Amino acid sequence: GQQLNQSPQSMFIQEGEDVSMNCTSSSIFNTWLWYKQDPGEGPVLLIALYKAGELTSNGRLTAQFGITRKDSFLNISASIPSDVGIYFCAGSGAGGTSYGKLTFGQGTILTVHP
Amino acid sequence: DGGITQSPKYLFRKEGQNVTLSCEQNLNHDAMYWYRQDPGQGLRLIYYSQIVNDFQKGDIAEGYSVSREKKESFPLTVTSAQKNPTAFYLCASRQTSGAEAFFGQGTRLTVV
Repeated sequence: GQQLNQSPQSMFIQEGEDVSMNCTSSSIFNTWLWYKQDPGEGPVLLIALYKAGELTSNGRLTAQFGITRKDSFLNISASIPSDVGIYFCAGSGAGGTSYGKLTFGQGTILTVHP
Repeated sequence: DGGITQSPKYLFRKEGQNVTLSCEQNLNHDAMYWYRQDPGQGLRLIYYSQIVNDFQKGDIAEGYSVSREKKESFPLTVTSAQKNPTAFYLCASRQTSGAEAFFGQGTRLTVV
């Protein structure tokens, strides 16, 4: 089945630093999604990517859909304390038995020290 | 307001009992999903449905069952066959198979 490897697993940074995390897949995806989850809550969508090579920004967040369609990365610039949480990537299957399936990475736990 | 509603937020059950978790959406989305999340872990796909009266097994379907009799509803039953049912369960929906997915607030199930 599809597998997503997300890295790093956790990050401890100082306020104001930039953050970068990425996901790689064993399969081609048609859509890449990035989410943030606060404790005890459902994930909230941050950025959606639909085309290979696409680069999309949402405030201090920037994400890219890899050219091979098997990877994606998320950057957060000038981190602030409220960026703390778990960040997930998710990929949507390209077809065949994976059509409609939405697979998540293991998550990156972000801690920001003031 | 449009959205996805999971109920209840917290659920306690005795071991050996079946329990059904509710997920309702009024977004007119075709596709719905159930995920399980264990502490410090990612989201693992249990079941998903792309259309009414049809659903597919995800990566960890054993011990779970679902139904999709109505477009807006996708209940998940955790059966007594599920060996370790205590977890945080998340439901999601999206318009089509390639669109962004939106989540409910989750149900924390504790089996004692």
